[in-house]
Amino acid sequence: SAVISQKPSRDICQRGTSLTIQCQVDSQVTMMFWYRQQPGQSLTLIATANQGSEATYESGFVIDKFPISRPNLTFSTLTVSNMSPEDSSIYLCSVEGGRTYEQYFGPGTRLTVT
Amino acid sequence: QQQVKQSPQSLIVQKGGISIINCAYENTAFDYFPWYQQFPGKGPALLIAIRPDVSEKKEGRFTISFNKSAKQFSLHIMDSQPGDSATYFCAARGGGADGLTFGKGTHLIIQP
Repeated sequence: SAVISQKPSRDICQRGTSLTIQCQVDSQVTMMFWYRQQPGQSLTLIATANQGSEATYESGFVIDKFPISRPNLTFSTLTVSNMSPEDSSIYLCSVEGGRTYEQYFGPGTRLTVT
Repeated sequence: QQQVKQSPQSLIVQKGGISIINCAYENTAFDYFPWYQQFPGKGPALLIAIRPDVSEKKEGRFTISFNKSAKQFSLHIMDSQPGDSATYFCAARGGGADGLTFGKGTHLIIQP
């Protein structure tokens, strides 16, 4: 399995500002994903980020709100733009590992918007 | 539309007992069904997964049972231990999407 780190681990932000979350993997992976987990809730896929192509967003998520970069095979960023209290969630990145379809998650970034 | 329905929402099992969590899916194009375990403050950890061409898969104390015709799958935790107390999520992948669709989760408590 891959070792995944995220920065920051948590943050408290003012509404109207933006936060960029970083995801670093210890090995090269083709597919990376970003999920949101609201407190006490399940995980919802935000977008799929493959290196060399534009991110693919799920219904209800748009690039202007959640721009994603994927500059290489070990790194990705998710920006939460123009934040509101409704954006308070845990944001998780995941990668598809060496064995097909197995996805491994990072520790998450806990975001609180005040 | 909730594509993966998970039950129960919470479950209390005595130490040494069997914990059973059930999931049902709607999209017949799903072709991969993992289970994740999540402790508070941590990311989900992959426990065990199954493909629809197999009816059962066992890894240690964890077993997935899969019923393709009923579009249901379940997680069985044998000899449940207090350290198994966590939130468990079922998920599904496929139908043209590479990401996972998750169930709502089951909060499992193993009483000593």
